[in-house]
Formats: sequence, structure tokens, C-alpha cells
Amino acid sequence: DAGITQSPRHKVTETGTPVTLRCHQTENHRYMYWYRQDPGHGLRLIHYSYGVKDTDKGEVSDGYSVSRSKTEDFLLTLESATSSQTSVYFCAVTGAPNEKLFFGSGTQLSVL
Amino acid sequence: DQQVKQNSPSLSVQEGRISILNCDYTNSMFDYFLWYKKYPAEGPTFLISISSIKDKNEDGRFTVFLNKSAKHLSLHIVPSQPGDSAVYFCAASARTGANNLFFGTGTRLTVIP
Repeated sequence: DAGITQSPRHKVTETGTPVTLRCHQTENHRYMYWYRQDPGHGLRLIHYSYGVKDTDKGEVSDGYSVSRSKTEDFLLTLESATSSQTSVYFCAVTGAPNEKLFFGSGTQLSVL
Repeated sequence: DQQVKQNSPSLSVQEGRISILNCDYTNSMFDYFLWYKKYPAEGPTFLISISSIKDKNEDGRFTVFLNKSAKHLSLHIVPSQPGDSAVYFCAASARTGANNLFFGTGTRLTVIP
């Protein structure tokens, strides 16, 4: 258990509204990631962070932004939610890049 | 463009028999491979990994085989147990390249008691 908490666990929102998902870790892992899981696509990287205030884009970053002001927190923001962003979002952490990841329990987001 | 592919969406196996899950990749720069297991409403959990310098890695009932020339890896579970019923994802990375693991689409394994 890497001490990862994702909040909220479930959220229903309307198209066009802003949404922020939170990932909190207690183990001081340097690297944090946001993935989304969709049928037929597996897990795809949205954004990742390699330190406080250091972030970079993944393969499906359009429509998402992130912030990491503290080691333990990594926020994912959908500025204006769209139905195509309905998905399960997973946060993951690791102490070294490209090593095994420890995942949170996920956030089920529905955009209506 | 899916760099890691799991072509079998589902697999059913009798309890006690062998489960074989397959994964193919296209990027020859990948040199580290992992398998994750996922239960419903939970995050994926790490199962086993293999570096490209090896062709086999074993951990209890789980063995991963890597065939670099074919760009293919497989996960063997022997003997299969009902608690192994889950979705299995393979993942790959280039340790000297981008800071990312690439995941396959997953295979749902059902072990029938």
C-alpha cells in the first residue's frame, strides 16, 4: 500500500463545468501520474509530475491541466468538462521513472 | 496508435489449469515489461516484471516469458485459482526514454471453480 488517496471516488457533473480531482500520497514519492481507463484503450497517461511544480504532458493531455504545489498532492483539472471525459481516473506514484507504479483506487467521473 | 496490444479481451480457464495471457508490443526501444492485475472498483496492482536482459521471470505461481525477437510476452499462471479472476494489463517502458509506461487494453481472466 503506497498510501494513495483519490477524491472524490465518484462524481457526476454537467458538460461545461470545471472539475478537479485530487490525489494525495503519504510516502513522499517523487513521481506522480494521472491515467484514464476506457474500454478498448486500457490505461492512458494524461499528465505526470517529476517534482513540485514540475509537470509534463502525457499522450491524452488535451482538455486537462495539473498542478503540484506540494510533494503529497497532485491535482487534475478539467477546465470545461465534456462527455468524452467520462472515464475512470487513476492516480499513480513511483520513486523512480519507468519503474513499477502504485495506483490509487480510482475516481469514476460521469459528464452528462 | 497502440504500442502495447493484448488481442484477447477475455479468457476462461478451469480452476487448477494453466492460464496463459499474451501481449505484443511494437516499439523496439521497450526494455522493461510489467503485468498488473485489476479487480473491479480497485486500482491496478503490480504483479510481476521482466527486464529485456532476461527471457523468463518467475514468482510463485506466476511466470512471465519474454520473446524479444517476436516482440511478445506472456504471463503464465499455474495452477489457476478463482481468486485470480481479474483484468490483467501488460505494460512496457523504455527506461532510457520517455517517462511513461504504455499499457495494453487488458484481458479479463475468469477462473471457473
